[in-house]
Amino acid sequence: DAGVTQSPTHLIKTRGQHVTLRCSPISGHKSVSWYQQVLGQGPQFIFQYYEKEERGRGNFPDRFSARQFPNYSSELNVNALLLGDSALYLCASSLDRGYTEAFFGQGTRLTVV
Amino acid sequence: EDQVTQSPEALRLQEGESSSLNCSYTVSGLRGLFWYRQDPGKGPEFLFTLYSAGEEKEKERLKATLTKKESFLHITAPKPEDSATYLCAVHELFNDYKLSFGAGTTVTVRA
Repeated sequence: DAGVTQSPTHLIKTRGQHVTLRCSPISGHKSVSWYQQVLGQGPQFIFQYYEKEERGRGNFPDRFSARQFPNYSSELNVNALLLGDSALYLCASSLDRGYTEAFFGQGTRLTVV
Repeated sequence: EDQVTQSPEALRLQEGESSSLNCSYTVSGLRGLFWYRQDPGKGPEFLFTLYSAGEEKEKERLKATLTKKESFLHITAPKPEDSATYLCAVHELFNDYKLSFGAGTTVTVRA
C-alpha cells in the first residue's frame, strides 16, 4: 500500500512568491494535517482538515491557507513568502480526526531565497 | 508555554549501551502520547501511541512507557541503525485537532 505522498520533495522560491504544496493521504484516510518543521525543532501544527472541512488552525499568519479535495488529497498554499518560511513541510494522514493511525509523508523541503 | 519537553537534547551511546529518553508533558487532559523516529531530511516515522498511565509498548529494541506526567523511551542494546532523532508528541482532549511536539532527542550510536 502507498504511504502518504507529498510533492514536490524540494522547492526553491524567491521572497514574495507564492507556493503550493500537495499531499495525498493513505487510501481510506479522511484526515490530513499540515505541520512546519524548522531545523532543530519539532513540527509545529498549521492546519487539520477532516471530511473537507477545516477543524483547526495553528498560530500561523493568513498568508498560509489550505484545502482538502473530495478525494481527500490536500494543498497547502503560502503567499508572499518570507525567508523565515524556509522549512520542512510535513503532511500527516490519519483514519479519523483523532489521529488514529497517523502517519507522516516524507515532507517538502522549501527554501526561500 | 511549553507543553512537551524532551531530554536530553542529544545522546551519544556506544553500541550495546542501553539508555532512556524522557518526554515530560503538561496538558489538561491527554488523549494519547505519540513517539516518532525521524532520520535527517525525512518525515517522522510512527513508533508508538500510548493512551493511559501504566501502558507499555515494545518494538524490537525500543520500549515506551507512560505515567501521568511523562513518558520514557528505553533503547536496549542499541545498534548504529538506531541513530536518529526521536520525537514525542501529545494529543490533548481539548484542541484535539493537533499534535504538540517536543524538540526531540538526537541519538547517535557508535559501533
